[in-house]
Amino acid sequence: QVTLRESGPALVKPTQTLTLTCTFSGFSLSTSGMCVSWIRQPPGKALEWLARINWDDDKYYNTSLRTRLTIYKDISGDQVVLRMTNMDPADTATYYCARCLTGYGDYADYWGQGTLVTVSS
Amino acid sequence: DIQMTQSPSSLSASVGDRVTITCRASQRISTYLNWYQQKPGEAPRLLIYAASSVQRGVPSRFSGGGSGTDFTLTISSLQPEDFATYYCQQSHTTPRTFGQGTLVDIK
Repeated sequence: QVTLRESGPALVKPTQTLTLTCTFSGFSLSTSGMCVSWIRQPPGKALEWLARINWDDDKYYNTSLRTRLTIYKDISGDQVVLRMTNMDPADTATYYCARCLTGYGDYADYWGQGTLVTVSS
Repeated sequence: DIQMTQSPSSLSASVGDRVTITCRASQRISTYLNWYQQKPGEAPRLLIYAASSVQRGVPSRFSGGGSGTDFTLTISSLQPEDFATYYCQQSHTTPRTFGQGTLVDIK
């Protein structure tokens, strides 16, 4: 049974760095074809893809946010971390992590419940 | 970045209706196209990948089609649990991009 859960602060101040952790089970990110993506959704708005890390440690980022984002696998092997620097109120959103499968493009077949992050002083 | 444009942005339909949502890519993406359903307060759910492959567990009333730049998601007979927002996403090029969503609500 595949599960994912996002964790991190609910409130961050402008200019601070956000660190979110995706803890997953039911699959191994060492398995060929596996990946984990981060997607966010501002209140009442559309989904926005942020970043992805593959089983082989290849990493991919949203073009406009690339300089602010870092994605990496935790040494534990069952966590993926997303860091976003210089947070702004416009970054207020629900942040989701999702398992994805590569091969023909990629698609996210299991999602976490999401975590709401509010950026405010 | 590839822009994804969905139409309509919203539609009202009745139970039993056939509903079609369109997604257009700003450049050709072959069949690298996914569809997700999202209900209020919930995470998105994968419906269709590779333009026309139905995810396990998704009812057969959902189907996808298209290639190149133009794609469709069709619900053959709308059920009460299908009232939701639907998003297309291209997986041809990084960064992956989503459409703006189509809200399907009750007429």
